[in-house]
Amino acid sequence: GQNIDQPTEMTATEGAIVQINCTYQTSGFNGLFWYQQHAGEAPTFLSYNVLDGLEEKGRFSSFLSRSKGYSYLLLKELQMKDSASYLCAVLDSNYQLIWGAGTKLIIKP
Amino acid sequence: IAGITQAPTSQILAAGRRMTLRCTQDMRHNAMYWYRQDLGLGLRLIHYSNTAGTTGKGEVPDGYSVSRANTDDFPLTLASAVPSQTSVYFCASSDSPQGGELFFGEGSRLTVL
Repeated sequence: GQNIDQPTEMTATEGAIVQINCTYQTSGFNGLFWYQQHAGEAPTFLSYNVLDGLEEKGRFSSFLSRSKGYSYLLLKELQMKDSASYLCAVLDSNYQLIWGAGTKLIIKP
Repeated sequence: IAGITQAPTSQILAAGRRMTLRCTQDMRHNAMYWYRQDLGLGLRLIHYSNTAGTTGKGEVPDGYSVSRANTDDFPLTLASAVPSQTSVYFCASSDSPQGGELFFGEGSRLTVL
């Protein structure tokens, strides 16, 4: 079966750096997405990786290793507003999105 | 700029009742999707439509139906609601059926008693 694994919850301190990991086993691969979802709100797009390597976008970076079935989202200079759930999703060979359960990130002052 | 609009935002209904969740987008996106989100689970695809006039079943289609009469509208109907359909429902759209950024509506919180 297809599976996306990410930690259920993480805690970090304001101003610090946090890395949220995502491992996947899917039928084929056509890209990996990260979305941010604040409590009670809709998910919003953060990043898309289809080739190996690091994609940087401001304070957020996303890394992909297709051979290892692994990605991470790196958040730098954490702010209180970064408290949210972060969803990892993989586009499989049929162009269907397979979603992880999400990682709830708690930022403490 | 509206993007995707869902209605209602919240609803409580009795088991056995029929319910339609409305979804409208103004981005002229070809693909539209209905997901449900339950605590501890990832988003699960209910139904999708790659273009107006076509629909397909997702991971959890039982008990739900959709239609796509035009590009903008993609309603989701529960013919006879059951308590296990209590969930938050998200409508989403994308300009490409073959992957691409998803734009989500604000969600519809449905409680079936």
